[in-house]
Amino acid sequence: SQQGEEDPQALSIQEGENATMNCSYKTSINNLQWYRQNSGRGLVHLILIRSNEREKHSGRLRVTLDTSKKSSSLLITASRAADTASYFCATAGGNKLTFGGGTRVLVKP
Amino acid sequence: EAEVAQSPRYKITEKSQAVAFWCDPISGHATLYWYRQILGQGPELLVQFQDESVVDDSQLPKDRFSAERLKGVDSTLKIQPAELGDSAMYLCASSPGQVTGELFFGEGSRLTVL
Repeated sequence: SQQGEEDPQALSIQEGENATMNCSYKTSINNLQWYRQNSGRGLVHLILIRSNEREKHSGRLRVTLDTSKKSSSLLITASRAADTASYFCATAGGNKLTFGGGTRVLVKP
Repeated sequence: EAEVAQSPRYKITEKSQAVAFWCDPISGHATLYWYRQILGQGPELLVQFQDESVVDDSQLPKDRFSAERLKGVDSTLKIQPAELGDSAMYLCASSPGQVTGELFFGEGSRLTVL
């Protein structure tokens, strides 16, 4: 079973535009993480936000967390063709990390 | 940079055959995870080890799947017999400790069951 649900399932944008994807979850968490997966490859960790944090930045990435709404968003600014990938949120509760179904992002040059 | 090693990268087998996947985590990482990822979906945890002990195998289909990490280092995931529905990517990941922080993933083993 998957705790997090990403929205939208797929996203197509032009290079230079911003990409925003959302993650909703059901139970309390210790932290929430975002991962990227290029086609046919393993997942790569992007950013971790703790339950007592509201916003975090890393390069062109901005993550927000609203624990009252049990939701998070990932913003990729000034997207590049190399950002084409699937993006997954993962919620950490207890000693387990549970992944959502992912958002497939296509950045067109 | 240290990486999680997995083999084989690709495996094609016929149903009812046995198949095995191997994972070597980053040196010093105590926690090792096996995830299964069906095409178009997110990874689902099959089994989690802390050193050589199983912490969570609640989603492992134990009638056909087995996993071991005998010396608390590398790990093997076995499927016997393989079924058509087992076609998926099998991902291994490791992390330094028990607290659920960043996971480091290998490149995965893509299984196709014919």
